[in-house]
Amino acid sequence: DAKTTQPPSMDCAEGRAANLPCNHSTISGNEYVYWYRQIHSQGPQYIIHGLKNNETNEMASLIITEDRKSSTLILPHATLRDTAVYYCIVLNSGGSNYKLTFGKGTLLTVNP
Amino acid sequence: DTGVSQDPRHKITKRGQNVTFRCDPISEHNRLYWYRQTLGQGPEFLTYFQNEAQLEKSRLLSDRFSAERPKGSFSTLEIQRTEQGDSAMYLCASSLAAGRETQYFGPGTRLLVL
Repeated sequence: DAKTTQPPSMDCAEGRAANLPCNHSTISGNEYVYWYRQIHSQGPQYIIHGLKNNETNEMASLIITEDRKSSTLILPHATLRDTAVYYCIVLNSGGSNYKLTFGKGTLLTVNP
Repeated sequence: DTGVSQDPRHKITKRGQNVTFRCDPISEHNRLYWYRQTLGQGPEFLTYFQNEAQLEKSRLLSDRFSAERPKGSFSTLEIQRTEQGDSAMYLCASSLAAGRETQYFGPGTRLLVL
């Protein structure tokens, strides 16, 4: 799987958009970008994933650059409950490669 | 609540004791995964089942660790002769086999070995 690079920490004001970047410059054509988050002492929570196109769901939006070498997770209106570690993971979905390889992620702190 | 449950949520044991954890995946999911997470680190893959077959074990899974999924439904992870280094959060996840591989995680079992 391609390696990902994320900033170790970010701050965001409550009610503002949180934009979390991820670099995955070695991503290959059949690899998806997945985002999970982990609130303190809980299991990781799936947020969103995408291949080429931008994706949106009830939790977040995922913007993938045209060359697929980086992506941004957008939480449109961050709340205090969004404070968590956010993990960007590249996965060869559908094939024999099924292990999620977590890095250290980005600790997002939403401030009142 | 993702639908994946784990029991117990917390376990404190003395070094040398055996412990067993249980994971109940989402009912229609036939893939089940175990991960381990130590403080300050992301989860690390331990092992994976498709139905009742254990298809891969990480090098992290020493001989003291054994996992089973006897009927392709719930799974157990046993650690024999626990060591202080086994203290961690043990996470279970499940997914559908074909097509989308999105893994959904349970709340984890936090193990403390004294």
